[in-house]
Amino acid sequence: GAVVSQHPSWVICKSGTSVKIECRSLDFQATTMFWYRQFPKQSLMLMATSNEGSKATYEQGVEKDKFLINHASLTLSTLTVTSAHPEDSSFYICSARAAIGETQYFGPGTRLLVL
Amino acid sequence: GQNIDQPTEMTATEGAIVQINCTYQTSGFNGLFWYQQHAGEAPTFLSYNVLDGLEEKGRFSSFLSRSKGYSYLLLKELQMKDSASYLCAVRDLLTGGGNKLTFGTGTQLKVEL
Repeated sequence: GAVVSQHPSWVICKSGTSVKIECRSLDFQATTMFWYRQFPKQSLMLMATSNEGSKATYEQGVEKDKFLINHASLTLSTLTVTSAHPEDSSFYICSARAAIGETQYFGPGTRLLVL
Repeated sequence: GQNIDQPTEMTATEGAIVQINCTYQTSGFNGLFWYQQHAGEAPTFLSYNVLDGLEEKGRFSSFLSRSKGYSYLLLKELQMKDSASYLCAVRDLLTGGGNKLTFGTGTQLKVEL
């Protein structure tokens, strides 16, 4: 299957700081990338959908000013958690898809711990 | 909206066969996916069904009945490494412009000796 990378894999930060997570599709062009959050022993919850070159679409209850998403190219999307707080500690996973109707492939995830 | 139901936990024996069921309700069905997720890792793609019937891929098979809103994932010749969470996900044409998957809560499979 296709390869999606995420960086960093682990982040520990102080409350109030901002954290940027990168998601890259390594061997295909991703017209759409998705950002999920997963709390322990729970399923993936979609946060937002981003299409290259346009604004992200956020799910209900997800603050767009807190979780900034940029999809500047067909191989890169970034999620910035602004002014992170302990309740933002979670496993953040991106996935990418080449086109509508095609399979989504997931990155390895980024574990965020806010102290 | 969509409702996706799958059992929370299952236990099976090494070498055996296990079937994980998933039922769903959706307005504009456009495909069902199964992913495997080991603890602390991201999901990996296992199978995709959009038409009724059985899709076989090695030790893994997935079945779909659109009229019943039902799918199952069949794992044969179970190995210890198959212990993981198995996520059922449905894509709906009418949700998010047909862009997104909605995931079930996952079935935690434990394979024992």
